[in-house]
Amino acid sequence: AQKVTQAQTEISVVEKEDVTLDCVYETRDTTYYLFWYKQPPSGELVFLIRRNSFDEQNEISGRYSWNFQKSTSSFNFTITASQVVDSAVYFCALTLGSSNTGKLIFGQGTTLQVKP
Amino acid sequence: EAGVTQSPTHLIKTRGQQVTLRCSPISGHTSVYWYQQALGLGLQFLLWYDEGEERNRGNFPPRFSGRQFPNYSSELNVNALELEDSALYLCASSLYKVGGETQYFGPGTRLLVL
Repeated sequence: AQKVTQAQTEISVVEKEDVTLDCVYETRDTTYYLFWYKQPPSGELVFLIRRNSFDEQNEISGRYSWNFQKSTSSFNFTITASQVVDSAVYFCALTLGSSNTGKLIFGQGTTLQVKP
Repeated sequence: EAGVTQSPTHLIKTRGQQVTLRCSPISGHTSVYWYQQALGLGLQFLLWYDEGEERNRGNFPPRFSGRQFPNYSSELNVNALELEDSALYLCASSLYKVGGETQYFGPGTRLLVL
């Protein structure tokens, strides 16, 4: 069975601090895809990044960076110099590639509060 | 380019009633997905439609159903509403190629069942 765990339920930081959101996944499939989404208070899930299981390169996009490590089944997300606008719930998700079910398996989400 | 749209934004219903939620995908996307986000239960997969066919459904009772139209828009129907159906219902769309495509979400419909 597949599973995504986001152990941090809530994180509170002060603006300009760096913060890392942890994501650990479980799957026996060799082909899978990992995602991060941001959910602001409005409710819409905003896509941030997609990574396939064969690409372990880390990625940086502005203040955001992602560290994918298959050895530890982790796909962590770091925000550098956090801002108040980063306050949201962040979800890590997994979907399979080889047996395509169309289903995104989400973690429970991490609520990030960035205080001014 | 317009994103995924959903209507209505909010709904209030009473137990036993029926409700229909609507979703229009991003232009060019053939797959539509429905998710339920209930308080305390996280995001749960409901249904996946592609090219007018139901491809997969999550662990929900049959009173949750839907369809996809030739223009790829979709409806989610919930019959015999129960209090625990109160949730944010999110629709997403994607291009369907071989699997693993990014799903882009709409703003959701907030359903309250009294």
